[in-house]
Amino acid sequence: QQQVKQSPQSLIVQKGGISIINCAYENTAFDYFPWYQQFPGKGPALLIAIRPDVSEKKEGRFTISFNKSAKQFSLHIMDSQPGDSATYFCAASPANTGNQFYFGTGTSLTVIP
Amino acid sequence: ETGVTQSPTHLIKTRGQQVTLRCSSQSGHNTVSWYQQALGQGPQFIFQYYREEENGRGNFPPRFSGLQFPNYSSELNVNALELDDSALYLCASRIAGGSYNEQFFGPGTRLTVL
Repeated sequence: QQQVKQSPQSLIVQKGGISIINCAYENTAFDYFPWYQQFPGKGPALLIAIRPDVSEKKEGRFTISFNKSAKQFSLHIMDSQPGDSATYFCAASPANTGNQFYFGTGTSLTVIP
Repeated sequence: ETGVTQSPTHLIKTRGQQVTLRCSSQSGHNTVSWYQQALGQGPQFIFQYYREEENGRGNFPPRFSGLQFPNYSSELNVNALELDDSALYLCASRIAGGSYNEQFFGPGTRLTVL
């Protein structure tokens, strides 16, 4: 059973455009929602994370929008650049417990110059 | 770079063999988790060690086992390898109770089982 559902599976965006990746979860015990960026041959790297007490968090060109009632969160990449081409994973973790992270299935982003 | 290293980078084994993968965590990180990432999939949690004790396990059989050492290094051992064990194995370290649940991944070990 997939604890975190991610869409789309792949995304192609023009340089300068906005990339949007969506995730949904069911477990209300989750209280930490990170996004990871992974390049081929590398491990996932933390991009940005949010806790459910805020509805939005912005760091540079990356923004997480969080909808607690809908149990959904999304990553927005503004002014997408070819260097952003990578696989993006959302994840969720319960509060201060064994901290098992549940990952989405990933979105392959391609930014066309 | 995250300061988390893994060895070896690549490994080829045959079915039925045993393998040991190694991870060196960031200094001071008392918690290490291991994940299996199949091709085209997200990482799947195998288990977590905190202060040298296993304190969380995902849906993996007992032939997946681990060790954590006082020097911030850890091992993942897999016995009786199966073809489906072919994957990228990632370790991630963090400080329990630290800022959020932020964890730092190593680059992974690519295991191929023939």
